[in-house]
Amino acid sequence: GIQVEQSPPDLILQEGANSTLRCNFSDSVNNLQWFHQNPWGQLINLFYIPSGTKQNGRLSATTVATERYSLLYISSSQTTDSGVYFCAVIRNAGNNRKLIWGLGTSLAVNP
Amino acid sequence: DAGVIQSPRHEVTEMGQEVTLRCKPISGHNSLFWYRQTMMRGLELLIYFNNNVPIDDSGMPEDRFSAKMPNASFSTLKIQPSEPRDSAVYFCASSRLGDTQYFGPGTRLTVL
Repeated sequence: GIQVEQSPPDLILQEGANSTLRCNFSDSVNNLQWFHQNPWGQLINLFYIPSGTKQNGRLSATTVATERYSLLYISSSQTTDSGVYFCAVIRNAGNNRKLIWGLGTSLAVNP
Repeated sequence: DAGVIQSPRHEVTEMGQEVTLRCKPISGHNSLFWYRQTMMRGLELLIYFNNNVPIDDSGMPEDRFSAKMPNASFSTLKIQPSEPRDSAVYFCASSRLGDTQYFGPGTRLTVL
């Protein structure tokens, strides 16, 4: 099956720093999402981005489908950005709706 | 928009008891997903429905687990009998077919 690898596994930042999280996937996809799981356990959808670039405030994401990777950029990080960031994909196969998840990047932003 | 609604938010029960988790998807969404999250295994998809029909239940751990979706606005996940290893956070998510999945707040289940 399709493999989803995220890097780095852990990241510690000082408030105000920028960071880039990476997601590599092993097959063509027709759905890619980035999620943030906050320290209270809530899973929040950040981007639906099977290709191209999107921006939402201090966050932006780029997916290069032909090269099978996606990047999540966090600028001017804040302590509220702490948590785990997951990348999840749906393989390009008919009516398949099953998200395959990476193991996540655990981010800690220190004041 | 109310988002995905799950109940209860927390459940503590004793081994052998029946547990029923409930989910109301976002109105207009055609797909509904049940996930389980533990420290050891991360996020696991248990089952998902399209238009109220179960499509893939390969993630359901064993016969003690069952899920139903009697209509477009309600689904249940039942564990009978429950065991301590079932302790986890159970998430429900919904989406329009092929689109973004939105997650509920989760139910934290503890089986003693």
